[in-house]
Amino acid sequence: GAVVSQHPSWVICKSGTSVKIECRSLDFQATTMFWYRQFPKQSLMLMATSNEGSKATYEQGVEKDKFLINHASLTLSTLTVTSAHPEDSSFYICSATNRGLNTEAFFGQGTRLTVV
Amino acid sequence: ELKVEQNPLFLSMQEGKNYTIYCNYSTTSDRLYWYRQDPGKSLESLFVLLSNGAVKQEGRLMASLDTKARLSTLHITAAVHDLSATYFCAVASYNFNKFYFGSGTKLNVKP
Repeated sequence: GAVVSQHPSWVICKSGTSVKIECRSLDFQATTMFWYRQFPKQSLMLMATSNEGSKATYEQGVEKDKFLINHASLTLSTLTVTSAHPEDSSFYICSATNRGLNTEAFFGQGTRLTVV
Repeated sequence: ELKVEQNPLFLSMQEGKNYTIYCNYSTTSDRLYWYRQDPGKSLESLFVLLSNGAVKQEGRLMASLDTKARLSTLHITAAVHDLSATYFCAVASYNFNKFYFGSGTKLNVKP
């Protein structure tokens, strides 16, 4: 299957700082990327959907000013957690698809964020 | 909003037994996916089901899709310990601009 690379795989940051997570599609053009967060022993909660070149669509309850998503090219999307707090500690996973070509979404390896 | 319900949430079974995990979803969709997640890891794709009546099998796992009933099943045959993991179903919206997951089923196969 197609490859999606997510970086970093884990990060520890101090409260109040910002953290950027990258999601790259390595062998296909990702017209659409999904960002999820997963708390321990819970399911994946869709945070936002981003389409290349346009603003992300956020799910209800997700603060767009806190979780900044940029999808500037067909191979890269970034999620920036701004002014991170301990409650933002979670496992963040991206997935990517080309809606016109793919019939499934391909997942990155995930990023374990710990805010201290 | 598309809702995906999965049950059971937890499943503890002996090796050699059979069981089925169910996945119901709330709106019309013909794209249903099953994934496996091991602790601390991302998702491993198991099955992609794209039409009513689709059935796919891989080893001891078999998945099916009934779009009229909005139901998918993941059947485990003669379970082995290596199948212990959390299994998720996911449903894509018609135009693939949403992709929602069920709650997950944590499977523990006892040797």
